[in-house]
Amino acid sequence: GAGVSQSPSNKVTEKGKDVELRCDPISGHTALYWYRQRLGQGLEFLIYFQGNSAPDKSGLPSDRFSAERTGESVSTLTIQRTQQEDSAVYLCASSLAGGLAEKLFFGSGTQLSVL
Amino acid sequence: SQQGEEDPQALSIQEGENATMNCSYKTSINNLQWYRQNSGRGLVHLILIRSNEREKHSGRLRVTLDTSKKSSSLLITASRAADTASYFCATMKAAGNKLTFGGGTRVLVKP
Repeated sequence: GAGVSQSPSNKVTEKGKDVELRCDPISGHTALYWYRQRLGQGLEFLIYFQGNSAPDKSGLPSDRFSAERTGESVSTLTIQRTQQEDSAVYLCASSLAGGLAEKLFFGSGTQLSVL
Repeated sequence: SQQGEEDPQALSIQEGENATMNCSYKTSINNLQWYRQNSGRGLVHLILIRSNEREKHSGRLRVTLDTSKKSSSLLITASRAADTASYFCATMKAAGNKLTFGGGTRVLVKP
């Protein structure tokens, strides 16, 4: 596609349920990032994928959070047993090659609301 | 804690005025980038400055980088109402691949 696509754009869930967020990066982009942004705050790094290398998971806030990426394509971010503090916008971004001073292209995000 | 911290947190100016915001960071970097965010969703890349560069221009944007002070500034000249947005600096550490964002500066340009 022309840009980074995220789905769903909005997700409302009940506390304790699992959610799965999807990110389709720009074709050919080897690097993919997930960030979390709480209302009025900056972006909090979650996880980074670069090609077939082991992902950098250093930003995942707890073991309830996990992410996968198949090759250089779609990535899914899964949050298990959601809590109210998980409510935020989850942003995905891709770039041509991580670590080579490349700019990021962002999707429009998924607004997650945990009731 | 955030690698980059913006100052001020919020800025309100009249259309036509210049807007200046600053970013400080803590560790050595490969490059520093500025992004704009409208309406709390996707960010748009504005400009990238590498660690061996001191100043860069793009249209009405001017970015400076002072590695000795670990700081950068973004200047928007002749602001327009459409410049109303949040502006974030992001740094890529010298050793590492992830891009770390600051808390942002919310800019309001009044017509």
